[in-house]
Amino acid sequence: DIVMTQSPDSLAVSLGERATINCKSSQSVLYSSNNKNYLAWYQQKPGQPPKLLIYWASTRESGVPDRFSASGSGTDFTLTISSLQADDVAVYYCQQYYSTLFTFGPGTKVDIK
Amino acid sequence: QVQLVQSGAEVKKPGASVKISCKASGYNFTSHYMHWVQQAPGQGLEWMGIINPSRGSTIYAQKLQGRLSMTRDTSTSTVYMELSSLRSEDTAVYYCARGRREGYNQDALDIWGQGTLVTVSS
Repeated sequence: DIVMTQSPDSLAVSLGERATINCKSSQSVLYSSNNKNYLAWYQQKPGQPPKLLIYWASTRESGVPDRFSASGSGTDFTLTISSLQADDVAVYYCQQYYSTLFTFGPGTKVDIK
Repeated sequence: QVQLVQSGAEVKKPGASVKISCKASGYNFTSHYMHWVQQAPGQGLEWMGIINPSRGSTIYAQKLQGRLSMTRDTSTSTVYMELSSLRSEDTAVYYCARGRREGYNQDALDIWGQGTLVTVSS
């Protein structure tokens, strides 16, 4: 199975400041045939199901605020919240769908400093 | 609107089985793959498996092979997840989630059910 790791485990950021989360896969999730990275990011608030934020490593899902952006390719990926809002307090997960055996990262908890 | 509605919470004894339903509405049920994801209390997300609602074919995570079964009923647009030989470690919230694109098994999960809590306790 492809193992996903995330860093940091948690971070606290002041309102309006930038939050950056890293995700690494144990093997490349870039499909050479279509040049797409099979990597998604989700946001999960307490007591709620996860919400899709980003797919293809950098494509924002419809309705997701543009303060959320993501980048990366191959094995290294980043999710950035450009100006943290109170509503962004949540756990963020990356997930690979390159393999038919999907795997999630362990999650990064984002709080307000 | 597109939604997935799951069945209610369950309490089971160790060794028993549980079967959870996930009813889809608002889209062509057979066109999108469906996944199940487990989340133990205070823990992260763990992918369990996928079912093709059109053909009924499945792929399961290796650690659940032999205990997990996913089925579907196209007449009611419902997928089912059955987990057998339950142990305390299976206590978790279970989510169904839809694959984003029609006809593709490898894609992000764009619509999620509300979750079903399964408690395994003697």
